[in-house]
Amino acid sequence: DAEITQSPRHKITETGRQVTLACHQTWNHNNMFWYRQDLGHGLRLIHYSYGVQDTNKGEVSDGYSVSRSNTEDLPLTLESAASSQTSVYFCASSELIGDTQYFGPGTRLTVL
Amino acid sequence: LAKTTQPISMDSYEGQEVNITCSHNNIATNDYITWYQQFPSQGPRFIIQGYKTKVTNEVASLFIPADRKSSTLSLPRVSLSDTAVYYCLVGDSDDMRFGAGTRLTVKP
Repeated sequence: DAEITQSPRHKITETGRQVTLACHQTWNHNNMFWYRQDLGHGLRLIHYSYGVQDTNKGEVSDGYSVSRSNTEDLPLTLESAASSQTSVYFCASSELIGDTQYFGPGTRLTVL
Repeated sequence: LAKTTQPISMDSYEGQEVNITCSHNNIATNDYITWYQQFPSQGPRFIIQGYKTKVTNEVASLFIPADRKSSTLSLPRVSLSDTAVYYCLVGDSDDMRFGAGTRLTVKP
């Protein structure tokens, strides 16, 4: 069955380090997204991509970057991790713009 | 982007029908209304989507009045496993915004 996976599921890092979170989907979806969710809050969009070589900034993109070299993967990089980036990160994909988004299981990131 | 307003929390009992209303006064002509469900430690899951009038699937119904300035998600005969956060989203692109959602607690 098609799915969307994220790795690692849990990560602890130190302030200033570069961190990359992986997202892989086998739906063959063109659209992929990264969100962060802080305790007790809804999801906020970080970056999204409508296809290979396409990336767009979302609501809270500062301090994050993404690259899309193939259809299946959209890695999220924190260039220099900050304590304010401690959060749960969700990756999602969709077939069409505005269509249902399928979410991964999430990555819990702690920046000390 | 249309802003949405939902109740922060709701309580219900097993077997009851639950209606969660979302206000979206600035909804645009091309916007769809989409509801997601999120359980603790999981990503959100699509429940239902609609544009106008009524939509029903095996999980829920979505009622949208003619002016489309609000929508109501209806969950029939809830069970304990329906305890979750429910999000209402409005938009026609992927830059839709998740609000804080409505935390539904179903009690025995």
